[in-house]
Amino acid sequence: TQLLEQSPQFLSIQEGENLTVYCNSSSVFSSLQWYRQEPGEGPVLLVTVVTGGEVKKLKRLTFQFGDARKDSSLHITAAQPGDTGLYLCAGAEGGSYIPTFGRGTSLIVHP
Amino acid sequence: KAGVTQTPRYLIKTRGQQVTLSCSPISGHRSVSWYQQTPGQGLQFLFEYFSETQRNKGNFPGRFSGRQFSNSRSEMNVSTLELGDSALYLCASSLRISGSSNEQFFGPGTRLTVL
Repeated sequence: TQLLEQSPQFLSIQEGENLTVYCNSSSVFSSLQWYRQEPGEGPVLLVTVVTGGEVKKLKRLTFQFGDARKDSSLHITAAQPGDTGLYLCAGAEGGSYIPTFGRGTSLIVHP
Repeated sequence: KAGVTQTPRYLIKTRGQQVTLSCSPISGHRSVSWYQQTPGQGLQFLFEYFSETQRNKGNFPGRFSGRQFSNSRSEMNVSTLELGDSALYLCASSLRISGSSNEQFFGPGTRLTVL
């Protein structure tokens, strides 16, 4: 059973377009992270959200944590080729130190 | 502050052999976790070491083992390699303190190919 469901699985868009990727679960998370991974490299932490309803912005990226802390979204405005990569969400339940990762959304931004 | 380092970056082995991978965490991080990443299964948790003790274990066979040294460096060993063990093996370090947000800081990974 996949604890964290990410959608869409694949996304291919043109430079300048906006996009949103989703991370959903039936579990409540104490915190949730978003990572970006480029081919052949390890995931790089983008943001952590901990409070229900929280919104964080990182340049053109906007992250939102659901009110019930069961889901999250990542919105990218005016995507650029440098945004290409695998976007992973990860959440840990309760007092667990080990997060569970979603399968990821593979994003390709064409120039 | 230096990031997580992993060696080697690439490895080619044949079935039946064993392999040892190494990971040095970020200075001050005492928790090291290992993950296996494949296109079909995504990122799967292998185990976590903290203060030289295995604290959490994923659902992998006993062929996968690890250890952590007093300087927090960690090694992962896979014995009797199978073709299905071909994957990117990622090491991640974290602070693992009460109230922390479970953030994982990953190394570049070791790409293991089993022929």
